[in-house]
Amino acid sequence: IAGITQAPTSQILAAGRRMTLRCTQDMRHNAMYWYRQDLGLGLRLIHYSNTAGTTGKGEVPDGYSVSRANTDDFPLTLASAVPSQTSVYFCASSDSPTNEQFFGPGTRLTVL
Amino acid sequence: GQNIDQPTEMTATEGAIVQINCTYQTSGFNGLFWYQQHAGEAPTFLSYNVLDGLEEKGRFSSFLSRSKGYSYLLLKELQMKDSASYLCAVRDSNYQLIWGAGTKLIIKP
Repeated sequence: IAGITQAPTSQILAAGRRMTLRCTQDMRHNAMYWYRQDLGLGLRLIHYSNTAGTTGKGEVPDGYSVSRANTDDFPLTLASAVPSQTSVYFCASSDSPTNEQFFGPGTRLTVL
Repeated sequence: GQNIDQPTEMTATEGAIVQINCTYQTSGFNGLFWYQQHAGEAPTFLSYNVLDGLEEKGRFSSFLSRSKGYSYLLLKELQMKDSASYLCAVRDSNYQLIWGAGTKLIIKP
């Protein structure tokens, strides 16, 4: 692994289903982030983690949850998917909240 | 509220120079970032400004005026591979990034 990986690459999901998007980084970065990107809008922060064991809410956290059990992994869970959660989801990391963020390749999620 | 404004789309000619502007109103300021994003790909870091003035990095330069809430990204000697979206982001008082919607740059031969 080099950098940040995300899985799956894309997914079509029925409304009401539970889904976990995976994110793993091998850079030993302390901070990790989940964004969603929608056409015509800027990246919007869903949840973040400044260090393993801690998480915080971003701009659009409703309907999503995260955990940070270790430095490398930062999964994002949709407990009961709704069509408005159709989006491209990017995971990012940085060695500290004050430095630039590195992005994973993204997960394209469609909720029908 | 917090707001980042950038033009939605710009067109330029291969070999020319283009300036992409970004204006911002945020709760606090702890630096401004520019990222490049090719269609279907992840954003990649281009530049960072925290003090007023010009930062030059090869064909790309970024300028910041904190008093005016203004930045621009200058791309010189445009190449076809520069066709992409350019994202402006400001780090606010909570050290979170607030993102503009991006400027889609189209390069014509």
